[in-house]
Amino acid sequence: KQEVTQIPAALSVPEGENLVLNCSFTDSAIYNLQWFRQDPGKGLTSLLLIQSSQREQTSGRLNASLDKSSGRSTLYIAASQPGDSATYLCAVLRSNDYKLSFGAGTTVTVRA
Amino acid sequence: DTGVSQDPRHKITKRGQNVTFRCDPISEHNRLYWYRQTLGQGPEFLTYFQNEAQLEKSRLLSDRFSAERPKGSFSTLEIQRTEQGDSAMYLCASSLGAENEQYFGPGTRLTVT
Repeated sequence: KQEVTQIPAALSVPEGENLVLNCSFTDSAIYNLQWFRQDPGKGLTSLLLIQSSQREQTSGRLNASLDKSSGRSTLYIAASQPGDSATYLCAVLRSNDYKLSFGAGTTVTVRA
Repeated sequence: DTGVSQDPRHKITKRGQNVTFRCDPISEHNRLYWYRQTLGQGPEFLTYFQNEAQLEKSRLLSDRFSAERPKGSFSTLEIQRTEQGDSAMYLCASSLGAENEQYFGPGTRLTVT
């Protein structure tokens, strides 16, 4: 069974600081890994998708790395802004059944 | 295309009542998924369709839950005899093929009183 863990569960930083969010998964048989953003009471917005053959993916201030063999991914958000305050979820697409397994998320607060 | 849409966005119902939610996927997407998310947790898989065929149901989906996707377009999720434990966010997602990115709708927040 695939288990996805995100540490820390919550994070508070001052504006301008870089954010580092961690995700680990127990089974390396994945097809891809996605990072999502979720605002309170809202649905999921996809931020980045990394294929299992890739090492990293970048979009603007966001950079995500993937080390499939060690079961880890890290999301970096540069120069954080109050608008980055949200819950960030990672999810892996299992290659045996193509189902998404989610972590519980990291709730980020960026203080102005 | 405007993305995945869900209706209603919020539903408050009394215990024992039946509720039905609708999901409209991105038009060319052949796969449609339902997830349930409780407070402080990540979404959990409930069921999925490939075109009109329901291919798998999670053990989380009790006999009170039923999902359909007639004609392989929109999907409905019905909960019969709702219980307080059914209170959650119900999320729908769609994708073009099993291995491609899943796009999520805004969700339906269900509160059972």
